[in-house]
Amino acid sequence: GDSVTQTEGLVTVTEGLPVKLNCTYQTTYLTIAFFWYVQYLNEAPQVLLKSSTDNKRTEHQGFHATLHKSSSSFHLQKSSAQLSDSALYYCALSFSNYQLIWGSGTKLIIKP
Amino acid sequence: NAGVIQTPRHKVTGKGQEATLWCEPISGHSAVFWYRQTIVQGLEFLTYFRNQAPIDDSGMPKERFSAQMPNQSHSTLKIQSTQPQDSAVYLCASSLDGWGEAEQFFGPGTRLTVL
Repeated sequence: GDSVTQTEGLVTVTEGLPVKLNCTYQTTYLTIAFFWYVQYLNEAPQVLLKSSTDNKRTEHQGFHATLHKSSSSFHLQKSSAQLSDSALYYCALSFSNYQLIWGSGTKLIIKP
Repeated sequence: NAGVIQTPRHKVTGKGQEATLWCEPISGHSAVFWYRQTIVQGLEFLTYFRNQAPIDDSGMPKERFSAQMPNQSHSTLKIQSTQPQDSAVYLCASSLDGWGEAEQFFGPGTRLTVL
């Protein structure tokens, strides 16, 4: 079946160091778009990044991700973590109809 | 733009009571989604409306959960005979047209606690 895998449930990074959150997917259907959503404490999830183009880097708020269909991945990265980046991050992919397949989420903690 | 509005923000019910959760989507958005979020299960899809019509309720527990969208400005999620395992944050989201590339905009959620 279709699935999105976020292997790390919790990632802890020291402020100023790079961050990488992994996202891989499995599907036999035509996918339309890939998303990273971020959810800050006591807030609603919101879109952080969106991509639908293979091998194209997408950037927003210092984060970037590149869709690699060859390896079925859409990892999220940032070169220098900030305390305010602490949040829950979801990877999701969508199909043409509407269905969003969500990963299980990765909690990112940035420590001073 | 007020964003997606959900009321109440918190609801406490006793076991066996009914809970009704309200969602007002962003004006002009034709798609409404309901999700349930728990620490253990993460984000779970419940149901989806497009242009007020129910499209997919595959995530809804059939026996006690129901959702409606009587007009384009609000949707309700009703849980009958609430059980402690229904305790969760219920999130409503809307998108412009409901198709795959459309971003979903989430409301702040309703935290349901069943005692």
